[in-house]
Amino acid sequence: AQSVSQHNHHVILSEAASLELGCNYSYGGTVNLFWYVQYPGQHLQLLLKYFSGDPLVKGIKGFEAEFIKSKFSFNLRKPSVQWSDTAEYFCAVNRKNAGNMLTFGGGTRLMVKP
Amino acid sequence: ETGVTQSPTHLIKTRGQQVTLRCSSQSGHNTVSWYQQALGQGPQFIFQYYREEENGRGNFPPRFSGLQFPNYSSELNVNALELDDSALYLCASSLNWGDTEAFFGQGTRLTVV
Repeated sequence: AQSVSQHNHHVILSEAASLELGCNYSYGGTVNLFWYVQYPGQHLQLLLKYFSGDPLVKGIKGFEAEFIKSKFSFNLRKPSVQWSDTAEYFCAVNRKNAGNMLTFGGGTRLMVKP
Repeated sequence: ETGVTQSPTHLIKTRGQQVTLRCSSQSGHNTVSWYQQALGQGPQFIFQYYREEENGRGNFPPRFSGLQFPNYSSELNVNALELDDSALYLCASSLNWGDTEAFFGQGTRLTVV
């Protein structure tokens, strides 16, 4: 079974600071990778996804993530955060061609100070 | 808005009771998955339905069961509720069974007392 680790449980940044959230997964086969965001009181929204191709993936709201297969990592980045990025971020993985059953990490709660 | 709607939004039940949660998938989506999100944790996969059949299950006991209807809406049933079942229950729909993204509903907050 696969598992996902998010190393930072809580992150506090000031506006305009750069963001990098770590995500590592354990699974020996081929995977799809996702980052979801959960704003306070809202549903989980997809930020970006990786299925194949260019390992540097660009998502919505200026977020990007890089898949490094050798490190089993899919870290999320944003060059300059805004107060409105305050939310909880979840990394998720599923096995390729095996349905949409997602395994999520424990989440990282990001607070951006104005 | 994702087009995935869940009802009810909040629910309080007593230990030992049974509960049914409902989910309407996004138009055109034939795959529905259910997740349990305990406070402070990431969602955990319960099971998935594809064209009215369960085709994947996580590490949840049999008292967690489900249905998918011909219009692809779905129900999650939990029998013999325990205090630890208190959580946010999320429904997600996908266009198909394969490598596609999942769209989540707002969730149902279940409190077992």
